[in-house]
Amino acid sequence: AQKVTQAQTEISVVEKEDVTLDCVYETRDTTYYLFWYKQPPSGELVFLIRRNSFDEQNEISGRYSWNFQKSTSSFNFTITASQVVDSAVYFCALSVLSGNTPLVFGKGTRLSVIA
Amino acid sequence: EPEVTQTPSHQVTQMGQEVILRCVPISNHLYFYWYRQILGQKVEFLVSFYNNEISEKSEIFDDQFSVERPDGSNFTLKIRSTKLEDSAMYFCASRGGRFSGNTIYFGEGSWLTVV
Repeated sequence: AQKVTQAQTEISVVEKEDVTLDCVYETRDTTYYLFWYKQPPSGELVFLIRRNSFDEQNEISGRYSWNFQKSTSSFNFTITASQVVDSAVYFCALSVLSGNTPLVFGKGTRLSVIA
Repeated sequence: EPEVTQTPSHQVTQMGQEVILRCVPISNHLYFYWYRQILGQKVEFLVSFYNNEISEKSEIFDDQFSVERPDGSNFTLKIRSTKLEDSAMYFCASRGGRFSGNTIYFGEGSWLTVV
């Protein structure tokens, strides 16, 4: 069975601070995908990134960066120079590549960026 | 950019009533999903649908729930006799073919309030 753990329930930072959201996953499959989704106060789920298990290269997209480490089963997400608009709940999720398997979500981390 | 659309955005219904939530997945996608999120909790998988049949369902998806793809574009979730505990945000999602990269795109959700 797959499991995603986001140990940080809530984080508060002051605008312009950097913040890292932790994600640890468990799976016995060797082929899988990891995702981050953002859920702003309006409620929708916004796809941010997908990373497959064979690609451990870190990725940077603007102020966002992701650090995937198979050795520690972690897929952490860093926001640099945070902004108030980054305030949201962020979900890490896992999907194994075997048929039509569903996403397994972590419990989410609520990020509050204070001006 | 193609997107998953859901209607209604919010529905209030009395306990025991039937509810149908509607979704239009992204047009060339083959896999369809329903997830739900009880207020303040994590996103939970309900059911996946492929090739006109359910491919996987969770324990939550009991006999009160059903899904249908009545035509080439719509994907519906029916709750036969709603209970108070069915109050949640229901997300429809879709993804492309097997080799499309496994990214699941979500609609904006349908808030269901059972009173």
